[in-house]
Amino acid sequence: EAQVTQNPRYLITVTGKKLTVTCSQNMNHEYMSWYRQDPGLGLRQIYYSMNVEVTDKGDVPEGYKVSRKEKRNFPLILESPSPNQTSLYFCASSLSRGGYNEQFFGPGTRLTVL
Amino acid sequence: AQTVTQSQPEMSVQEAETVTLSCTYDTSESDYYLFWYKQPPSRQMILVIRQEAYKQQNATENRFSVNFQKAAKSFSLKISDSQLGDAAMYFCAYRSAFMNRDDKIIFGKGTRLHILP
Repeated sequence: EAQVTQNPRYLITVTGKKLTVTCSQNMNHEYMSWYRQDPGLGLRQIYYSMNVEVTDKGDVPEGYKVSRKEKRNFPLILESPSPNQTSLYFCASSLSRGGYNEQFFGPGTRLTVL
Repeated sequence: AQTVTQSQPEMSVQEAETVTLSCTYDTSESDYYLFWYKQPPSRQMILVIRQEAYKQQNATENRFSVNFQKAAKSFSLKISDSQLGDAAMYFCAYRSAFMNRDDKIIFGKGTRLHILP
């Protein structure tokens, strides 16, 4: 089944404890992206990647890191999480860059930073 | 920079009636795509409909249709014969059609739609 998977689905952590949220897609998509969703703010793009070893900042990249060493994986790294990073996170992928290509979203990761 | 605005944080409609969700955007680009996504309580993001700016004909998917007004930069979603399963958060989104380096995707803040039985 074609899908985007994220792990973990739920995570409660404490300030400053490094964490990684994994994202993997099995559709051979070039474009991958991370969003955070907050009430009243909609979805905001954190980082995106147009191919292996190519990553770019979205609108809210501060406090996050990403890497794209393999085409299928695009982990989101929080080196020193803070409470303002408590949010719902989505990973998404599409065949390539450009508007025609539909984005497929993962199921979301609910992160709470205490 | 592009922006997407959804001015209705919440809306309600009676079951079987028609409702229109509004979306306006701002861009200096001539070609782009606009999308409506649905997010039900399961949190899964589901593509409802998309429209390419160069196509004059409004997109339609079953009970969902759009009213795309390029000059006015307006992209509203019409849901006909509303059903209880349509209750969700709806997001409008913009993506450039150009294969340039900056390929950000911009979302609006969302409209929560309630269906009244």
